[in-house]
Amino acid sequence: AQTVTQSQPEMSVQEAETVTLSCTYDTSESDYYLFWYKQPPSRQMILVIRQEAYKQQNATENRFSVNFQKAAKSFSLKISDSQLGDAAMYFCACSSGTYKYIFGTGTRLKVLA
Amino acid sequence: NAGVTQTPKFQVLKTGQSMTLQCAQDMNHNSMYWYRQDPGMGLRLIYYSASEGTTDKGEVPNGYNVSRLNKREFSLRLESAAPSQTSVYFCASSPKAGNTEAFFGQGTRLTVV
Repeated sequence: AQTVTQSQPEMSVQEAETVTLSCTYDTSESDYYLFWYKQPPSRQMILVIRQEAYKQQNATENRFSVNFQKAAKSFSLKISDSQLGDAAMYFCACSSGTYKYIFGTGTRLKVLA
Repeated sequence: NAGVTQTPKFQVLKTGQSMTLQCAQDMNHNSMYWYRQDPGMGLRLIYYSASEGTTDKGEVPNGYNVSRLNKREFSLRLESAAPSQTSVYFCASSPKAGNTEAFFGQGTRLTVV
């Protein structure tokens, strides 16, 4: 079985500040991948960042970075220098050799001007 | 680039009616997926197709059937729609099973009255 938990239904951040979204997961697979997706009001699912579980180095994409703690099964997303366009639903997902992408329930991020 | 195309984008059905949601991808991906998104529940996997000619149940398959028509197309059928199937439906595809980004269509908002 594979589960993903996002315990923060909603978060707020001031423009230009930093915010961290939490995600924990559980999987019986040894080879798996972790993702953060962004869903703006347009409904389109957009990949933000991806982490291979076998890599110890945390992934980074411009203002987005992750803190991957494999032993704790934690995969948090840090957004630096938040912008109004970052306001969206953010979904954490885990995928493995069973071919499935399992998603968390999402965190709604509000960016305050 | 079309990517993943879903039709229709919106649909209203009466209870007991049937319909098929269409999905096509032009990226030569092997794997395709159908999800439903409900408020507070994230995206839940209905069915997936790891490769052409195979389909498997996901987390919430009851009330649905799928057909992997060819490598490009993966359809989702509701034989007798129920109000509980009111949701936003997403089709997705990925090049390989689970270790790469999944690409999503724009979703179908389905209302069953």
